[in-house]
Amino acid sequence: GDSVTQMEGPVTLSEEAFLTINCTYTATGYPSLFWYVQYPGEGLQLLLKATKADDKGSNKGFEATYRKETTSFHLEKGSVQVSDSAVYFCALSSADYKLSFGAGTTVTVRA
Amino acid sequence: EPEVTQTPSHQVTQMGQEVILRCVPISNHLYFYWYRQILGQKVEFLVSFYNNEISEKSEIFDDQFSVERPDGSNFTLKIRSTKLEDSAMYFCASRETGNYNSPLHFGNGTRLTVT
Repeated sequence: GDSVTQMEGPVTLSEEAFLTINCTYTATGYPSLFWYVQYPGEGLQLLLKATKADDKGSNKGFEATYRKETTSFHLEKGSVQVSDSAVYFCALSSADYKLSFGAGTTVTVRA
Repeated sequence: EPEVTQTPSHQVTQMGQEVILRCVPISNHLYFYWYRQILGQKVEFLVSFYNNEISEKSEIFDDQFSVERPDGSNFTLKIRSTKLEDSAMYFCASRETGNYNSPLHFGNGTRLTVT
């Protein structure tokens, strides 16, 4: 079945550092890929998405590129802020219409 | 921006009691979901619902669980006889279309604590 594997955390960074969270997937067919973010005490919010190979999703300074050849969708941000502290979930959706999530990566950014 | 709303935000119940978790999906959305997240663990799919019936359910969604759309706006998850292991954050989500490119929009969740 479909599955998502993402980098285990927790990740602790200083402000303005570069962030990468690795995500790889296994799916039949051509899934859509998503990153969701969960800020402390809140629900899951869509951060960005990509629906086909070589698409780049971007939002709030975060980017991720759908790489079919490596089955990856790594999340990157060039300069993180304290407000980026959250749990980040990689997810995929394919022909079964439900969203399959990775385990989540907790990111803490220190001032 | 329209959002999915869930009530209550926190529910405490005793083992064996019934609970109903409520959700109001985004109004023009047609597909509805429940997910749960046990503390510190993965977000897990429970059930999907479309056209007034369950589309798919996971192995977690056993006979003690049920879903209902009692009117045009609410979508509820009932747990008939709660167990300690049902303690989790329960997220409702909705999706505008059946196209799997279409993202799910999540509510803020209901934290269920079973004592």
